[in-house]
Amino acid sequence: GAVVSQHPSWVICKSGTSVKIECRSLDFQATTMFWYRQFPKQSLMLMATSNEGSKATYEQGVEKDKFLINHASLTLSTLTVTSAHPEDSSFYICSARDPGTAKEAFFGQGTRLTVV
Amino acid sequence: GNSVTQMEGPVTLSEEAFLTINCTYTATGYPSLFWYVQYPGEGLQLLLKATKADDKGSNKGFEATYRKETTSFHLEKGSVQVSDSAVYFCAQNSGGSNYKLTFGKGTLLTVNP
Repeated sequence: GAVVSQHPSWVICKSGTSVKIECRSLDFQATTMFWYRQFPKQSLMLMATSNEGSKATYEQGVEKDKFLINHASLTLSTLTVTSAHPEDSSFYICSARDPGTAKEAFFGQGTRLTVV
Repeated sequence: GNSVTQMEGPVTLSEEAFLTINCTYTATGYPSLFWYVQYPGEGLQLLLKATKADDKGSNKGFEATYRKETTSFHLEKGSVQVSDSAVYFCAQNSGGSNYKLTFGKGTLLTVNP
């Protein structure tokens, strides 16, 4: 199947700093990518839909100024957690739609963010 | 709204044991249903899916049947292997999109030799 690579796998940052997470589709062009967040022992919750060349669509309750999403190319979407706080510590995972296999989205391996 | 409830783990089995992980859903309309698996250090992979009532998804010895009457999509495998140790997520699509998913909390399965 298609490969989605997410980087970094884990990151520790200081409170108040910003962290950027990258999601790349390695062997296909992804017009749409999705960003999810998972709290311990909770479901993966969709945060936003990232559309290449246009603004992301955020789910209700997700702060767009806090979680900046950029999808500047067909193979890369980035999620920047701005002014991170300990409550932002979580597991973030992206997925991308491969237009060639219309019925499936492919997931990255996820990023464990810890804010200290 | 749409939701997915799956059996909480962790689940620990011996090799060759029978596996069931329960999953039920609530939805408006008729969603497609999915099971994803996440092996240690890797991303989520689609394990199997079913798109309409009474469909059975199957892959790698795993099966799940879409039961509209009980709003369930339980995952089963007759004989688990150590290599099946992973986290399993039940999911449904939301709003008709195959890519925008609502997930259960995940169930950690550990299979011992």
